[in-house]
Amino acid sequence: SAVISQKPSRDICQRGTSLTIQCQVDSQVTMMFWYRQQPGQSLTLIATANQGSEATYESGFVIDKFPISRPNLTFSTLTVSNMSPEDSSIYLCSVEGATDTQYFGPGTRLTVL
Amino acid sequence: GESVGLHLPTLSVQEGDNSIINCAYSNSASDYFIWYKQESGKGPQFIIDIRSNMDKRQGQRVTVLLNKTVKHLSLQIAATQPGDSAVYFCADCALVGNTPLVFGKGTRLSVIA
Repeated sequence: SAVISQKPSRDICQRGTSLTIQCQVDSQVTMMFWYRQQPGQSLTLIATANQGSEATYESGFVIDKFPISRPNLTFSTLTVSNMSPEDSSIYLCSVEGATDTQYFGPGTRLTVL
Repeated sequence: GESVGLHLPTLSVQEGDNSIINCAYSNSASDYFIWYKQESGKGPQFIIDIRSNMDKRQGQRVTVLLNKTVKHLSLQIAATQPGDSAVYFCADCALVGNTPLVFGKGTRLSVIA
């Protein structure tokens, strides 16, 4: 399985600001994903990020709010823009392994005041 | 869209007993199923997966059962240990069609020593 790291691990931000979350994988992967997990809830897919193409967003998520970069096969960023308290969540990146399984990073715990 | 749900949100078991965590899925086209374990403050950890051409798969102390007729999935943990205490999520997708993983609501397993 891939080893995935995320930065920052947690942050407390002010309303109206933006935060960029980094996801680094120890091997080259084609498909990377960004999820949101609100407190006490399950995981919801935000978007799929493939290298060399624009991210594909799920219903309810838009590029202006959650811009994503995927500059190479081992790295991606998710920006949470113009934050509000409703954006307080855990943000998780995942990658698809060789056997279709998804492996997750440790998550970024975001609190917006 | 499809939804994956769990029958019980919480489950308490005595240490040493077997645990059974259930999951219902709604997408009849789903052909790949995964169980994840999420400990507090961590990202989901892959436990075991199963494809739709199988009805049972065993790992170390864990067994996944798939009943496609009633769209039901279960995770059995043998000789439950305190370290098994976590939230367990099922997830499914259709590899044919490359649909994204859909996660269930999660079951919190508490092991009583």
